[in-house]
Amino acid sequence: QSVLTQPPSVSAAPGQKVTISCSGSSSNMGKNYVSWYQQLPKTAPKLLIYDNNKRPSGIPDRFSGSKSGTSATLGITGLQTGDEADYYCGTWDSSLSAVVFGGGTTLTVL
Amino acid sequence: QVQLQESGPGLVKPSETLSLTCSVSGGSISSHYWSWIRQPPGKGLEYIGYIYYSGSTKYSPSLKSRVTMSVDTSKNQFSLKLSSVTAADAAVYYCARVDPSGRSAASLDYWGQGTLVTVSS
Repeated sequence: QSVLTQPPSVSAAPGQKVTISCSGSSSNMGKNYVSWYQQLPKTAPKLLIYDNNKRPSGIPDRFSGSKSGTSATLGITGLQTGDEADYYCGTWDSSLSAVVFGGGTTLTVL
Repeated sequence: QVQLQESGPGLVKPSETLSLTCSVSGGSISSHYWSWIRQPPGKGLEYIGYIYYSGSTKYSPSLKSRVTMSVDTSKNQFSLKLSSVTAADAAVYYCARVDPSGRSAASLDYWGQGTLVTVSS
């Protein structure tokens, strides 16, 4: 059971937009910054979003992040088949004094 | 370009100690925080902890009693030891760098490719 809650799967057609939610609590998401990761099959996770809504260099602006209260959302526009992957949210939990991750969401581009 | 590479035994016997090393190239280990994360086969990410180049550490409460991290700045490496392993510790183990431009230890900008550790007698 993960500390952060994500939907197990989402799907959308190529070219469409999809959002992935991540829900936490006051001890983690409510007071700390959120990061998002993309994990393609059999590869290491890749940082997509940090500090709630910032994109590292090289990440296209099709990827966006937002946070409100104890929830965060990853948005992906102009879906491509290459976006099929598992997506994870992560943040610091002030009560646990540790990083916590969501259980991951599998994106299928139909 | 910073690169990280995990190394260590791929097979560990139950009750023994898992030992992994992460070698950092393309940049200095100094002035950064470094993390270990694991992922059981078919499952999600689990945070193990982080170490600062100076040697200070922070471990996940669920693993704290069995984890030891260390750093060797002369070799540009940091290491993980996990004692008394069981089948539940079988996973792909990743090392990663905490993003210095981020404001959270959850922001990990460079990752190793991961190394699979199996626990079996």
